[in-house]
Amino acid sequence: AQTVTQSQPEMSVQEAETVTLSCTYDTSESDYYLFWYKQPPSRQMILVIRQEAYKQQNATENRFSVNFQKAAKSFSLKISDSQLGDAAMYFCASCTGTASKLTFGTGTRLQVTL
Amino acid sequence: GAVVSQHPSWVICKSGTSVKIECRSLDFQATTMFWYRQFPKQSLMLMATSNEGSKATYEQGVEKDKFLINHASLTLSTLTVTSAHPEDSSFYICSARVSDRVVYEQYFGPGTRLTVT
Repeated sequence: AQTVTQSQPEMSVQEAETVTLSCTYDTSESDYYLFWYKQPPSRQMILVIRQEAYKQQNATENRFSVNFQKAAKSFSLKISDSQLGDAAMYFCASCTGTASKLTFGTGTRLQVTL
Repeated sequence: GAVVSQHPSWVICKSGTSVKIECRSLDFQATTMFWYRQFPKQSLMLMATSNEGSKATYEQGVEKDKFLINHASLTLSTLTVTSAHPEDSSFYICSARVSDRVVYEQYFGPGTRLTVT
């Protein structure tokens, strides 16, 4: 079974600043994938970034990057140059290579202030 | 590309009635679709995995006779909430996995808000 833990229910960041959202996971599988999803007020789930566990290099997508620490089972999301549109719920998730079922963390609500 | 739609976007029904929610992959074929439930200010909880042409696989604790899932084609899965009660009020989200692609490519629908009165 997989578990995903997000220990920060809420975070706040000033516009243009950098914020890091934490996530830890647990799995017995060797083949798995990790994701960060954004859910704005519209409730539409949007994939922010994904990381294949077999890749050592941290994934990056424009202002979004991850710090993947496989041994520590840690997968944090860094948002640089925060924008007002980044305000949303952020969910960390994992899935195994075979099942493709996503297991979500409890989410972190990110506020972006002026 | 990779658009998933849900219909209706919101529905209000009376207790005891049944409600059907549709999930469609608009521009791709989806062998597998997933149904999630999300309560206010909570995370997404997987309810079931829907496979085209076969019975759905339900997660532990989800009543399969209450939440009927049909995946009759490669672009359509339906979730029917039977004999709905107020505690079934929730936000239901589907996602679709692109057939013949790597397992992690899933695309989410916009969700359906169900209110049972």
